[in-house]
Amino acid sequence: DSGVTQTPKHLITATGQRVTLRCSPRSGDLSVYWYQQSLDQGLQFLIHYYNGEERAKGNILERFSAQQFPDLHSELNLSSLELGDSALYFCASSVASSPYEQYFGPGTRLTVT
Amino acid sequence: EDKVVQSPLSLVVHEGDTVTLNCSYEVTNFRSLLWYKQEKKAPTFLFMLTSSGIEKKSGRLSSILDKKELFSILNITATQTGDSAVYLCAVGLDSNYQLIWGAGTKLIIKP
Repeated sequence: DSGVTQTPKHLITATGQRVTLRCSPRSGDLSVYWYQQSLDQGLQFLIHYYNGEERAKGNILERFSAQQFPDLHSELNLSSLELGDSALYFCASSVASSPYEQYFGPGTRLTVT
Repeated sequence: EDKVVQSPLSLVVHEGDTVTLNCSYEVTNFRSLLWYKQEKKAPTFLFMLTSSGIEKKSGRLSSILDKKELFSILNITATQTGDSAVYLCAVGLDSNYQLIWGAGTKLIIKP
């Protein structure tokens, strides 16, 4: 158990809908990273927040957005969902002194039907 | 374009064998290279390497980085069935703490 929590574990929804994925980092970690993992594309970096501020964006679609709240938990919002958005979504966190050493949550498996 | 390439993509060996997994990279602002193990859930951190030639070791696993030739290897000795997993290599970029991931090596250990 990495100490990173994510909810929900599974999510099934229809095309065109909007969902919110939630992540709580390890105690003391200020950075939160979101990743998408699909069978054909592997692990893709989406976005990084540090202490409430966006620090870096990767291959994140405009239909997706994220934020980090004052209590450091983060939410990833996915809207106008398409079949191709079906994937595992991971959140990871790290301490400021070692940002590359990232600890992953259990993931949310999103299925869009 | 930054990229990380792992080889082989899959590997099947017998318990007790030694395996070597490879990771090569081409990135603009290298800062670190990391190895993760992914079973049927989230990736778990194994090693982080930043300096060439210094071996990192944890039990039967070890890893080394060659920054001149732009690659790293992960060795697993005396393999056990519990080592079966996908091993992921990632490179950390200096500019924004982003990790660029390889596709992984799927390792299957047969009893």
